[in-house]
Amino acid sequence: DIQMTQSPSSLSASVGDRVIITCRASQSITRYLNWYQQKPGKAPKLLIYTTSTLQSGVPSRFSGGGSGTDFTLTISGLQPADSATYYCQQSYSAPRTFGQGTKLEIK
Amino acid sequence: QVQLQESGPGLVKPSETLSLTCTVSGGSISTHYWTWIRQSPGKGLEWIGDIFYTGTPTYNPSLKSRLTISVDTSKKQFSLNLASVTAADTAVYYCARVDTIDAVDLFDYWGQGILVTVSS
Repeated sequence: DIQMTQSPSSLSASVGDRVIITCRASQSITRYLNWYQQKPGKAPKLLIYTTSTLQSGVPSRFSGGGSGTDFTLTISGLQPADSATYYCQQSYSAPRTFGQGTKLEIK
Repeated sequence: QVQLQESGPGLVKPSETLSLTCTVSGGSISTHYWTWIRQSPGKGLEWIGDIFYTGTPTYNPSLKSRLTISVDTSKKQFSLNLASVTAADTAVYYCARVDTIDAVDLFDYWGQGILVTVSS
């Protein structure tokens, strides 16, 4: 199985800040990387697919990048609504696997 | 707008079979793959398996020996059966739709999730 490792596990930032969450795959997954946002008690919500394409309706302050084994999720101009846990997920090979999550707190 | 709803018992005894159903509304079940994903505090998000409307499933190897996923297109439902459960199978179980864009599989619509506890 491909292991997905996110860092940091948690972070705290202020409204208006820019934050970067990283995701590293245990082997190359080219651009087969998706990002999800999950709020407490809710199902995960697709944010970004194929590394950098925003899902419809997702604010443009979210962006994704990377390739191979190293990927980033950037949130520019943090908003209170961005408080959530973020997960990366690879679709390069089965079984599809997720990162362990990054919990983002807004100060 | 596609909607998914999980249903089934919230409590299952150890060694018994966990059975869940996902009902799809607002769209056709015959155009996409459908998947089960679970989330437990200890293991995070775990992909369980997929099925297409033709009925050919793909399973996570870690669960394959205990797992059956099936589909009933007439009812617009797909189902999960996980046999011989233990406390480690306690989790929130989600059903979701699989879309494929530029050869990348993604989970774009999710059910609200159902908590299943394995306990005697």
